Amino acid sequence: EAGVAQSPRYKIIEKRQSVAFWCNPISGHATLYWYQQILGQGPKLLIQFQNNGVVDDSQLPKDRFSAERLKGVDSTLKIQPAKLEDSAVYLCASSFALGAGANVLTFGAGSRLTVL
Amino acid sequence: QQQVKQSPQSLIVQKGGISIINCAYENTAFDYFPWYQQFPGKGPALLIAIRPDVSEKKEGRFTISFNKSAKQFSLHIMDSQPGDSATYFCAASIKDYKLSFGAGTTVTVRA
Repeated sequence: EAGVAQSPRYKIIEKRQSVAFWCNPISGHATLYWYQQILGQGPKLLIQFQNNGVVDDSQLPKDRFSAERLKGVDSTLKIQPAKLEDSAVYLCASSFALGAGANVLTFGAGSRLTVL
Repeated sequence: QQQVKQSPQSLIVQKGGISIINCAYENTAFDYFPWYQQFPGKGPALLIAIRPDVSEKKEGRFTISFNKSAKQFSLHIMDSQPGDSATYFCAASIKDYKLSFGAGTTVTVRA
């Protein structure tokens, strides 16, 4: 079974520039999550999709972050304009169905963003 | 607002020793408590999980102890090996929804 694919693995940008991250979940996984992991901290949920609908985006800074999952498969997370505090690893995860208990979250390796 | 508080931030243990990581929570509605293991450059991976209807769960060298009245749970790594060197995160969720992670514990196992 192929894992969760993410790209790019690393990105360095200047503040106020834009950046986009791509995620392809495990085949058949209906639920997709984007987490932000700041150095030295645990992952923080940004947005959760069930198929192509948003389940929870309460912690997504909507003035600068956006995410979509148009066909219910892969997803894109965009940051525009980036701030210094956006420097983090952006983790994508997927699970078979809604929830993190009976259905285990599988994480990708992450996309490391550095904002200068 | 961190819903799950984890300690220590880091620990060093000798090969063969026991590593203990503790987590505490406030929200009594939490009903699922997983532990994730993360190696450098990789995403977190589920290690072991417990629900509050049991006080202990063991899988190989890894054991979760759960104290519902104290709202605490811990991970014990028995016979620690160098390959166990990683960052460990406790987490909690309500009805399998919206997993909240602790800040992480970096475990270093010295050979």
